[in-house]
Amino acid sequence: GQQLNQSPQSMFIQEGEDVSMNCTSSSIFNTWLWYKQDPGEGPVLLIALYKAGELTSNGRLTAQFGITRKDSFLNISASIPSDVGIYFCAGLIQGAQKLVFGQGTRLTINP
Amino acid sequence: DAGVTQSPTHLIKTRGQQVTLRCSPKSGHDTVSWYQQALGQGPQFIFQYYEEEERQRGNFPDRFSGHQFPNYSSELNVNALLLGDSALYLCASSSGSRGPYGYTFGSGTRLTVV
Repeated sequence: GQQLNQSPQSMFIQEGEDVSMNCTSSSIFNTWLWYKQDPGEGPVLLIALYKAGELTSNGRLTAQFGITRKDSFLNISASIPSDVGIYFCAGLIQGAQKLVFGQGTRLTINP
Repeated sequence: DAGVTQSPTHLIKTRGQQVTLRCSPKSGHDTVSWYQQALGQGPQFIFQYYEEEERQRGNFPDRFSGHQFPNYSSELNVNALLLGDSALYLCASSSGSRGPYGYTFGSGTRLTVV
C-alpha cells in the first residue's frame, strides 16, 4: 500500500529558528496536506496543496507540492513556542476518500 | 458551533472484549471517517461512512465494523480486542461534496487493551 516517509522524526530547535521538514512517497498523490497535532487533540489542517509545483503560504508556514507529485515540504519561519507539536503530511489520491499520513515530525522548541 | 464530538475520551478494555466508540460530526457535515493512530505513528484510515453506507475501507480486519445513523452520527465497533488495538481512534467529519479536503477531526478516543 501507499506509504509516506516523513523526515526528520524529531527536531529540537531554538525559538526564532526556521524549520524545514519533508515527506516523500513511492506513489503519486494528487493532493498534499499538512496537519499539526497538539497533545490530546486531533490533527488540524495547516495547508493544502492541489497542483504539482504549487507553493502556498499560511502566515509563517510555507509548503510546496513537488514537481514529481511524490514529495512535499513544509517550512516554518521564525518559530515561536506555540509551534510545538507533531506535524503530519498526508497525501490523497484522486477519487479516493482516504488520506495516507506520514509518521510525523515532533517539533520541540527551546526558549 | 460544535466541532466533532467523540465519546468516550478514554477507555480500558480487556483482551477479547468488544468496544463501541461514538462520533457526532460537525454541524453541516454528512460524512464520517475513522482513523486509528498508534502511539508515535500517523493516523491510518479504517473506513468512511456516507449516506449510512460504508463507502471505502482501509486495510483493517472484519473485527472492525461501523455504522452511520440518519442524523449522520457514527459508531465504530471492534470485536475480539487484541493488545495491538490499543491506540487513539480519531473520527473525522466532512461534507460529501468536499471529500477529505474539508476534514474536521475530533480529539479522539484513547483505547487501552490490557
